Amino acid sequence: AQKVTQAQTEISVVEKEDVTLDCVYETRDTTYYLFWYKQPPSGELVFLIRRNSFDEQNEISGRYSWNFQKSTSSFNFTITASQVVDSAVYFCALSEARGTNAGKSTFGDGTTLTVKP
Amino acid sequence: GAGVSQTPSNKVTEKGKYVELRCDPISGHTALYWYRQSLGQGPEFLIYFQGTGAADDSGLPNDRFFAVRPEGSVSTLKIQRTERGDSAMYLCASSPSLGGTYNEQFFGPGTRLTVL
Repeated sequence: AQKVTQAQTEISVVEKEDVTLDCVYETRDTTYYLFWYKQPPSGELVFLIRRNSFDEQNEISGRYSWNFQKSTSSFNFTITASQVVDSAVYFCALSEARGTNAGKSTFGDGTTLTVKP
Repeated sequence: GAGVSQTPSNKVTEKGKYVELRCDPISGHTALYWYRQSLGQGPEFLIYFQGTGAADDSGLPNDRFFAVRPEGSVSTLKIQRTERGDSAMYLCASSPSLGGTYNEQFFGPGTRLTVL
């Protein structure tokens, strides 16, 4: 079975602070994909990033960066110099590449980020 | 191009009624997924299609729920004898293929179902 845990239910920061959202996952598959999605107040889930299990390179995209560590089964997401527009619910998700779970994604329960001006 | 669209955006119905929720995936996407999201929780998998066939319907909670995708494009999620516990946001997503490299899913805006 696959499982995604986002231990932080809510985080509140002041604008320009850096913030890290934690994600820990469980899977029996050796090949899988990890994702982060953003769900703003409007409600539509927006894809942010996908990582393959065999690629542990960290990635930076503008103010966003992701730290994937297979040894600890974690895929953490950092927003640098946060802005009010970053306020949203952020979901981490896991999708196995093979077997009966291939394709479907298992989501964590999300972290609600509030960035105050 | 156009993203995933879902209709209606909101549906209010009475307990015991039948409802249909529609999803129009991104053109050319072969995989289509349905999720249900309750307040304060992440999306929960219901069913996915590869083309016209349901590749995995293990997430459907019971036999009151059924989904079809007859021509491999538009999908309809059908709920019979609705119950108050069915109230949730129903999300549809599509992706270019099932598994493989291009596995990210593109989500629609959802249909908020309220059963009174």
